Amino acid sequence: EVQLVESGGGLVQPGGSLRLSCAASGFPLSSYQMNWVRQTPGKGLEWVSYIGASGTPISYADSMKGRFTISRDNAENSLYLQMNSLRAEDTGVYYCARDLVAGAKGFDYWGQGTLVTVSS
Amino acid sequence: EIVLTQSPATLSLSPGERATLSCRASQSVSSSLAWYQQKPGQAPRLLIYDASNRATGIPARFSGSGSGTDFTLTISSLEPEDFAVYYCQQRSNWPSTFGRGTRLEIK
Repeated sequence: EVQLVESGGGLVQPGGSLRLSCAASGFPLSSYQMNWVRQTPGKGLEWVSYIGASGTPISYADSMKGRFTISRDNAENSLYLQMNSLRAEDTGVYYCARDLVAGAKGFDYWGQGTLVTVSS
Repeated sequence: EIVLTQSPATLSLSPGERATLSCRASQSVSSSLAWYQQKPGQAPRLLIYDASNRATGIPARFSGSGSGTDFTLTISSLEPEDFAVYYCQQRSNWPSTFGRGTRLEIK
């Protein structure tokens, strides 16, 4: 059974940092492109970042560039999102999501999400 | 950035009725459009990709159509479990974007 399980969310002050993790099981992570997607009260669903199956290419939404870093460890079946310089508007639920094996056509599996709250 | 506009914002129907949801893109996305269903407290679930291809395990009552800028998700006969929020997403241009959703509620 395919499973994606996020962890690492929590309450952080503005300007702070968090590292999110996504543990994958039930499929070979090394064969899939992966993404982070967030859902915020202000903007709804928002794509955050993408990483290719082997670690490249990498891309970010504009508002995350320079603050967020996506990475993966295929040997450990894990995906990561390092988030720095957090802002109130980054508050939301963060999901890891797997691309269809056929490529960038849709996210066929999602984790349950981890809540990030940026507040003083 | 491509803006996806979904309509209506809310759709009130009864079980057994046909639902037609619209997604309009601010510029052409060819057929690179996906549809998702989201229920409260759950992650989105992929229904349709490439505008008209059902994802694995999705019932045949869900169908997608369209290309370019105008897309439709149709649910032929609503089941009680279909009442949820539906989102479209384009993967044609960077960055990938989502619509704001259509809430399908029981009338």
